[in-house]
Amino acid sequence: NAGVTQTPKFQVLKTGQSMTLQCAQDMNHEYMSWYRQDPGMGLRLIHYSVGAGITDQGEVPNGYNVSRSTTEDFPLRLLSAAPSQTSVYFCASSYQENNEQFFGPGTRLTVL
Amino acid sequence: DAKTTQPPSMDCAEGRAANLPCNHSTISGNEYVYWYRQIHSQGPQYIIHGLKNNETNEMASLIITEDRKSSTLILPHATLRDTAVYYCIVRGISYNTDKLIFGTGTRLQVFP
Repeated sequence: NAGVTQTPKFQVLKTGQSMTLQCAQDMNHEYMSWYRQDPGMGLRLIHYSVGAGITDQGEVPNGYNVSRSTTEDFPLRLLSAAPSQTSVYFCASSYQENNEQFFGPGTRLTVL
Repeated sequence: DAKTTQPPSMDCAEGRAANLPCNHSTISGNEYVYWYRQIHSQGPQYIIHGLKNNETNEMASLIITEDRKSSTLILPHATLRDTAVYYCIVRGISYNTDKLIFGTGTRLQVFP
């Protein structure tokens, strides 16, 4: 199993640009989530999904959209990038919401 | 807000036991204590979790006090590869309490 994969590993955007961070898992996990981690801080939950077709907001959802059309994929869209969104983004998945979560390697995003 | 308090940093000699404390004085009866760690800038890795009984797995032991207001993660024989930030997380099982809320964790430095 590849586990949780994220692309790209690094990205630089200009203010106002949009982009999609990709996340995929091959473990047939129902629960997937997106976190961001700012320097020296813990992870903060952006959005999550308990299954295909179902998404919900986390702690810091503003400026981000998600969709879950398949069990495997959970892309995160930045609608209009801002410097405050410079961060490392982690995707995670688990069999169910209360099970141990497996994290991807992260995407390091810089917004200029 | 994180519902736990951890020391910001600790040191441990290689080969010795690392004991990482966590206070969670407001924990409620159906909330679990989870431990994750983050090595360098990788995605967090699940270590162990428990409700009220002590738990042990191949990575660590978790000791929870009888009143459940604090716990200790024990790495029995720390190695240099255990250098990481360790997060203690209190997590419920019902909607709005079942999310992983990361604090700033304890930075464990294992030295030769």
